[in-house]
Amino acid sequence: EDQVTQSPEALRLQEGESSSLNCSYTVSGLRGLFWYRQDPGKGPEFLFTLYSAGEEKEKERLKATLTKKESFLHITAPKPEDSATYLCAVQAGDDKIIFGKGTRLHILP
Amino acid sequence: GAGVSQTPSNKVTEKGKYVELRCDPISGHTALYWYRQSLGQGPEFLIYFQGTGAADDSGLPNDRFFAVRPEGSVSTLKIQRTERGDSAVYLCASSLNGDTYNEQFFGPGTRLTVL
Repeated sequence: EDQVTQSPEALRLQEGESSSLNCSYTVSGLRGLFWYRQDPGKGPEFLFTLYSAGEEKEKERLKATLTKKESFLHITAPKPEDSATYLCAVQAGDDKIIFGKGTRLHILP
Repeated sequence: GAGVSQTPSNKVTEKGKYVELRCDPISGHTALYWYRQSLGQGPEFLIYFQGTGAADDSGLPNDRFFAVRPEGSVSTLKIQRTERGDSAVYLCASSLNGDTYNEQFFGPGTRLTVL
């Protein structure tokens, strides 16, 4: 069965304290892995798409990496405005998109 | 430019009633998706349209749920005989053509509460 597991469920960091969020997946025929940011009361906002193992993408303080079994979202020197829920999703060979439960990130000033 | 819009933003109804939720995708986007998100969970896929046709409706939980997109633009998600378990945020997303290479843009969601 295709599934996506994100860890940790919640993470509290001090401003400037770098860390990583994990997304583990099992899927038949990965077509793409997506990272989204979701603020309270809003829809998810697209961050990255990764297609193959070894690929990396960066945007400001965020960098996403992909292996055959998992993806990491690295956050470097985070700021309070980076506080949000970060969602990982995969698109399988049958085109279905499956989301994880997300990691709630809280950056303390 | 305008993003994906959803109306209403909030809907409170009584058990057993019928509700319609509307999604206006980004102009020119042929792919449209409906998801349901419960508290503390990620979005759960419901249905995917490519143009006017439902390309994949395997996520609809039962036959009380139905969605249409008659002109390939606006979509309506219809829920009959609502149950308390239907309470959730219903999200709509659109993308240029449904290809993996095209990102999905999400609307703000409709929060449905069934009393």
